[in-house]
Amino acid sequence: IQLTQSPSLLSASVGDRVTLSCKGSQNINNYLAWYQQKLGEAPKLLIYKTNSLQTGIPSRFSGSGSGTDYTLTISSLHSEDLATYYCYQYNNGLTFGSGTKLEIK
Amino acid sequence: EVQLKESGPGLVQPSQTLSLTCTVSGFSLTDYSVHWVRQPPGKGLEWMGVMWSGGSTAYNSALKSRLSISRDTSKSQVFLKMNSLQTEDTAIYYCTRDPGRYYFDYWGQGVMVTVSS
Repeated sequence: IQLTQSPSLLSASVGDRVTLSCKGSQNINNYLAWYQQKLGEAPKLLIYKTNSLQTGIPSRFSGSGSGTDYTLTISSLHSEDLATYYCYQYNNGLTFGSGTKLEIK
Repeated sequence: EVQLKESGPGLVQPSQTLSLTCTVSGFSLTDYSVHWVRQPPGKGLEWMGVMWSGGSTAYNSALKSRLSISRDTSKSQVFLKMNSLQTEDTAIYYCTRDPGRYYFDYWGQGVMVTVSS
């Protein structure tokens, strides 16, 4: 399954509601996770199984979707959310999307 | 506390073999699977392969002919060996823990491997 993330680059202001998209080439059956990678760091698990928040992750992060289309939402952007975000599917094989780089205006 | 730490040479010559070690603590390799993921500089993430908790392995089909993953449970170590390295194998190599559901909840800090003569 191939994953297409959009946009590849997103610029937003602190306090904005931000939505990142991930689209699969086939049905993902909700086996989708989201990772946050800050510069120079390893990726961090944010969301698994489409909408389950990993322990310790702030509640401003949420996930949704079904079938081939999934979304990561940050309800109110914080400056520390500057990062690249990757979606990852584990329904059929194990593949990552190409990432969305989130910049703070 | 769950920890994973990769170790290995920072520089490998083209056509040679890469050997990396992932040393884990805070959990048992017989309870959790460990995957390897790599990231070329400035690029995205690529799943490489997995040592399942039961002792079997699975590999990315694109790397399968060159890749081998093994473990020593007594030392809490998982090993990656990949042969015939080329410059495009230059990347940060991460080991990650799988909580039993095919995603990754803990990651090592990564080890940068450069393939160059």
